[in-house]
Amino acid sequence: GEDVEQSLFLSVREGDSSVINCTYTDSSSTYLYWYKQEPGAGLQLLTYIFSNMDMKQDQRLTVLLNKKDKHLSLRIADTQTGDSAIYFCAESMLSSASKIIFGSGTRLSIRP
Amino acid sequence: KAGVTQTPRYLIKTRGQQVTLSCSPISGHRSVSWYQQTPGQGLQFLFEYFSETQRNKGNFPGRFSGRQFSNSRSEMNVSTLELGDSALYLCASNGDSTNTGELFFGEGSRLTVL
Repeated sequence: GEDVEQSLFLSVREGDSSVINCTYTDSSSTYLYWYKQEPGAGLQLLTYIFSNMDMKQDQRLTVLLNKKDKHLSLRIADTQTGDSAIYFCAESMLSSASKIIFGSGTRLSIRP
Repeated sequence: KAGVTQTPRYLIKTRGQQVTLSCSPISGHRSVSWYQQTPGQGLQFLFEYFSETQRNKGNFPGRFSGRQFSNSRSEMNVSTLELGDSALYLCASNGDSTNTGELFFGEGSRLTVL
């Protein structure tokens, strides 16, 4: 089946690391993505990972993929106020690469 | 390069009416996907078009339809509107060139049904 789940809210202190978690059900996923949505805007791709990788690092972002547990996480180091947004986890399926399924999004808020 | 453009940005309709939303993809992108975003359900996949053909479809009733033109512009239509159709409708285009499936989103059309 196709289902991507995330917790709805996360609050972190400025300067700390944020870790946003996601679980998915389709074991045939090819790519997994993290998108960011700022208020009043559409979604923007932050990073993605191919399903045969277990880690990807891109500046302050680290993506970890546990394929056995179907668990994906996004770590944002040194979280800043500009990181306040909704973060969506998404997957594309081997069976239909152009159909990308999104989670419900995690709203990240930053405390001073 | 211009981004994905959606029109109108905001609209208000009443129950029973129908609505047409438009999406112009990034120049050169042939794939256009539509999503419905609501606070309770997150992003729900509606359908995806490529070269004027519907390639994928989500689990929405037949009241939701779409099409794509030869210039890759796409429209979606919702007939017999219900209160629950109030949502942000997002369009995304994909260039397919890298095979990573990266979607480029527009800012959305916010539909309110009264």
